[in-house]
Amino acid sequence: EVQLVESGGGLVQPGGSLRLSCAASGFSSSGYWMSWVRQAPGKGLEWVANIKQDGSEKYYVDSVKGRFTISRDNAKNSLFLQMNSLRAEDTAVYYCSRGSKWGSLADCWGQGTLVIVSS
Amino acid sequence: QLVLTQSPSASASLGASVKLTCTLSSGHSNYGIAWHQQQPQKGPRFLMKVESDGSHTKGDGIPGRFSGSSSGAERYLTISSLQSEDEADYYCQTSTVFGGGTKLTVL
Repeated sequence: EVQLVESGGGLVQPGGSLRLSCAASGFSSSGYWMSWVRQAPGKGLEWVANIKQDGSEKYYVDSVKGRFTISRDNAKNSLFLQMNSLRAEDTAVYYCSRGSKWGSLADCWGQGTLVIVSS
Repeated sequence: QLVLTQSPSASASLGASVKLTCTLSSGHSNYGIAWHQQQPQKGPRFLMKVESDGSHTKGDGIPGRFSGSSSGAERYLTISSLQSEDEADYYCQTSTVFGGGTKLTVL
């Protein structure tokens, strides 16, 4: 069964850091673009970042550039999101998603991990 | 800049059909999209990909009641024989852009 499981969310103070992880199973993530997508409370889905199969290309939404870093470890079938200088507006459920060989059109989602940025 | 436009809400009766629309912004009418369903208090679920020629590829386990189609810059998701569990938010996506979502109410 294809599955994505996120972890690492929690409560953090403004200016703090968190590292999210996404463990893939049932498929080899090395063959796919992978993404992080977030959903603020009561809001819609927002793409945050994506990464090519070999990690050679990474893209970010403007609001997180310079603060968030996406990475992957294909040997461990895992995806990561390092989040620094967190702000209240980063509060959201963060989902990882599997794309395709060619881009980030999602065909599989994790259950999400909640990040709360508050003092 | 690519923008996906969805109506904020839709409603239909139990057992009826509903057609949701996702409109691609000018200059992007050849893009394929994905439809995702998000039931209350749950994560998104991939439904299908819809190409510009109207062909669609559904995710594993998606019932035959769900189908996709295209016309010009519009991409459609049709749900027939509506059931109570179809009450959800529906999002279209192309790569790094999501539509605002349509909240479907089953009456």
